[in-house]
Amino acid sequence: GAGVSQSPSNKVTEKGKDVELRCDPISGHTALYWYRQSLGQGLEFLIYFQGNSAPDKSGLPSDRFSAERTGGSVSTLTIQRTQQEDSAVYLCASSISGGFPGELFFGEGSRLTVL
Amino acid sequence: EDKVVQSPLSLVVHEGDTVTLNCSYEVTNFRSLLWYKQEKKAPTFLFMLTSSGIEKKSGRLSSILDKKELFSILNITATQTGDSAVYLCAVRTDKLIFGTGTRLQVFP
Repeated sequence: GAGVSQSPSNKVTEKGKDVELRCDPISGHTALYWYRQSLGQGLEFLIYFQGNSAPDKSGLPSDRFSAERTGGSVSTLTIQRTQQEDSAVYLCASSISGGFPGELFFGEGSRLTVL
Repeated sequence: EDKVVQSPLSLVVHEGDTVTLNCSYEVTNFRSLLWYKQEKKAPTFLFMLTSSGIEKKSGRLSSILDKKELFSILNITATQTGDSAVYLCAVRTDKLIFGTGTRLQVFP
């Protein structure tokens, strides 16, 4: 597609439920990143995929969070047993090359609300 | 721990005013500093700075980096209502570390 596509744009769930957030990067971009933006906070790095390399998971806040990237393209971020503090906007970005180059292209984000 | 601090947190101005947004950082393995504009949801790239003292300019926006004092500023001259947004500063190390942003509101 022309840009990074994320779905759903909004998700309201109950505490304890699992959620899946999807990211479709720009075609041809080898690197994919997930960030989280809580109200009034900056973007918090979660996880980074580069080609076929093992992902950098160092930003995942707990083992309830996981992500995969299938076929080097679409990525899914899964949050198990959601908690209220997981409420945030989850932003996905991609770049043509890896290593956090100058320009990341961001999607519109998925706003997660945990009741 | 690496950190990026932006100030002010928010700013309210009238059209035509000039504003200066600040970004200071303390990181290991600095590679570059970037500015993004976030109007509603998706941040969009503005500038990348790697060398001290060299101004980057795009229209009414300009930015400069001081690697000795570990800060950058983003200037916007003759502000317009369309400049209203959150401006994010990010520092590239082995990751991209973002500040909390400055929310700019420009009123007619």
